[in-house]
Amino acid sequence: KQEVTQIPAALSVPEGENLVLNCSFTDSAIYNLQWFRQDPGKGLTSLLLIQSSQREQTSGRLNASLDKSSGRSTLYIAASQPGDSATYLCAVRGGDSGGYQKVTFGIGTKLQVIP
Amino acid sequence: GAVVSQHPSRVICKSGTSVKIECRSLDFQATTMFWYRQFPKQSLMLMATSNEGSKATYEQGVEKDKFLINHASLTLSTLTVTSAHPEDSSFYICSAMGPQYSPLHFGNGTRLTVT
Repeated sequence: KQEVTQIPAALSVPEGENLVLNCSFTDSAIYNLQWFRQDPGKGLTSLLLIQSSQREQTSGRLNASLDKSSGRSTLYIAASQPGDSATYLCAVRGGDSGGYQKVTFGIGTKLQVIP
Repeated sequence: GAVVSQHPSRVICKSGTSVKIECRSLDFQATTMFWYRQFPKQSLMLMATSNEGSKATYEQGVEKDKFLINHASLTLSTLTVTSAHPEDSSFYICSAMGPQYSPLHFGNGTRLTVT
């Protein structure tokens, strides 16, 4: 069974710091991995999608890496801002013998950026 | 980019009534749609997976007759909470995806309150 773990569960940093969120998964036979953010009471916003054949993706201050063989992904946020405060979720598609429709989420990392 | 529209965003209903929530993919064909439930400060809980034109696959513990899912077209899925009770009050979120390497997109969620 595919399991996705996110560390840390919560993180509080001062504004301007660079930070790294971690995601690990147990079954490396994945199609892709996607990072989301969720603001309180809202749906999920897609940040970055990394296909299984890719090593990293970048969007603005965000950089996500994928090491499929070791079952790890990191989300790097540069020069953090208070507006980055949210819960960040990692979602893995595939693995778990569930085919491409199976999407497994981590429980998220709650980030607070202090002004 | 791709957008998933979920409607309504908020609904208040009386106990015993039924509520329908719509999830539409606006600019792509969603071969698969997912319905989630989220309690305060908790992670997403997958309720069911629906494929266009076929019956939904429900997760263990989710009542099929209570939460009716219809996925009649490649752009629309509906979740009907039948005979709603106060314990059904929650945040319901849909997501949609296309073929196997495509990203997952979320609606903005529906806050259901049953009085």
